[in-house]
Amino acid sequence: EVYLVESGGGLVQPGGSLRLSCAASGFTFNAYSMNWVRQAPGKGLEWVSYISRGSNTIYQLDSVEGRFTISRDDAGHSLFLQMNRLRDEDTAVYYCARGWELGQFDGFDIWGQGTMVTVSS
Amino acid sequence: DIQMTQSPSTLSASVGDRVTITCRASQNINIYFAWYQQRPGKAPKLLIYKASTLESGVPSRFSGGGSGTEFTLTINSLQPDDFASYYCQQYYDFPYTFGQGTKLEIK
Repeated sequence: EVYLVESGGGLVQPGGSLRLSCAASGFTFNAYSMNWVRQAPGKGLEWVSYISRGSNTIYQLDSVEGRFTISRDDAGHSLFLQMNRLRDEDTAVYYCARGWELGQFDGFDIWGQGTMVTVSS
Repeated sequence: DIQMTQSPSTLSASVGDRVTITCRASQNINIYFAWYQQRPGKAPKLLIYKASTLESGVPSRFSGGGSGTEFTLTINSLQPDDFASYYCQQYYDFPYTFGQGTKLEIK
């Protein structure tokens, strides 16, 4: 069965750092692009970051540019989000979501259960 | 950035009803468009991709249509499990953007 499992969330003070992880299983991880999507409490979904197969291409939301870094370890079937200089407005559930194989463009079909990040003093 | 505008924000309906949710993109996004369902406390679930392709395992009472800037999600014969929130998404260009969501409530 195909799974994504996030970890690494928690309570952090403004200006602090966290590293989120997403462990993948049940599929050929290196064949897919991957994404992070977040959802602030009571709010809608917001795409945060994208990494292509092979890590050649990365895109991020403007508001996290220079603070967040997406990366992947294909050998370890894992996706990461390093979050630095955290702000109150980064408080959200963070989901990792599978993209698609080359040329398929078939939506974010697999999601993790989410990990909560709370930025507060 | 491409803005996605969903309507309505809230929809009240009864079991057995047919409902339609609309999403409008601020520019042409071809068919690079998806619909997701989200139940409270759960991760989103992909329903429709490429505007009208039903994801494997999703009941056939869900259907999607449209292209360019106007898209619809129709649910025929609402079932109790369908009362949830629904989000549209464009993946034509970065940043990928979602609509603000539609909460489907029991009347």
